Amino acid sequence: EVQLVESGGDLVRPGGSLRLSCAVSGFTFSRYWMNWIRQAPGMGLEWVANISPDGSQVYYVDSVKGRFTISRDNAKNSLHLQMNSLRADDTAVYYCSRDTDSWGQGTLVTVSS
Amino acid sequence: DVVMTQSPLSLPVTLGQPASISCRSSQRLVYSDGNTRLSWFQQRPGQSPRRLISKVSNRDSGVPDRFSGSGSGTDFTLKISRVEAEDVGVYHCMQSTHWPHTFGQGTKLEI
Repeated sequence: EVQLVESGGDLVRPGGSLRLSCAVSGFTFSRYWMNWIRQAPGMGLEWVANISPDGSQVYYVDSVKGRFTISRDNAKNSLHLQMNSLRADDTAVYYCSRDTDSWGQGTLVTVSS
Repeated sequence: DVVMTQSPLSLPVTLGQPASISCRSSQRLVYSDGNTRLSWFQQRPGQSPRRLISKVSNRDSGVPDRFSGSGSGTDFTLKISRVEAEDVGVYHCMQSTHWPHTFGQGTKLEI
């Protein structure tokens, strides 16, 4: 069974940093593109970033470029999102997704003073 | 960025009746490999999204055949042949042809 479990969400002050993680199991992690997708409270979905199977290609939505870094550890079956210079509009549930065909339960990031 | 526009944003339906959601893109979605990377997702209340359809019309495993996707170019449709109570939720379209990938605003289906 494919499983994706996010962690690391928290309440953080504007300008602060967080590192999200996604632990996966049930499939060969190193063969798949992985995504981070977020959903602000009461809003729609927003694609944030993704990374190629070997980690050589990464893409970001403009609003997070230079602040967020997506990475993966294929040996540990884990995906990460390092978030720096956080802003109030980064407040959202962050989902880890395997090529969009499987999703985790999400982890809540709240940016507030 | 490619703008994805869904309509309607709210869709009251009657059990057993059909339902249809439109998704229009601001650019054509044909990828270099010839595929059109348009997907549909269902998000039930309080749950994570679930992909229903990829590449316009390919149903994911376990998705009931009352769900179907169609369209081409910039105009796409999700149809439910006979709405059931478990179909309540928000439906999202997404394009993954162009960077950044983008979603529609979501359509809330309610009985």
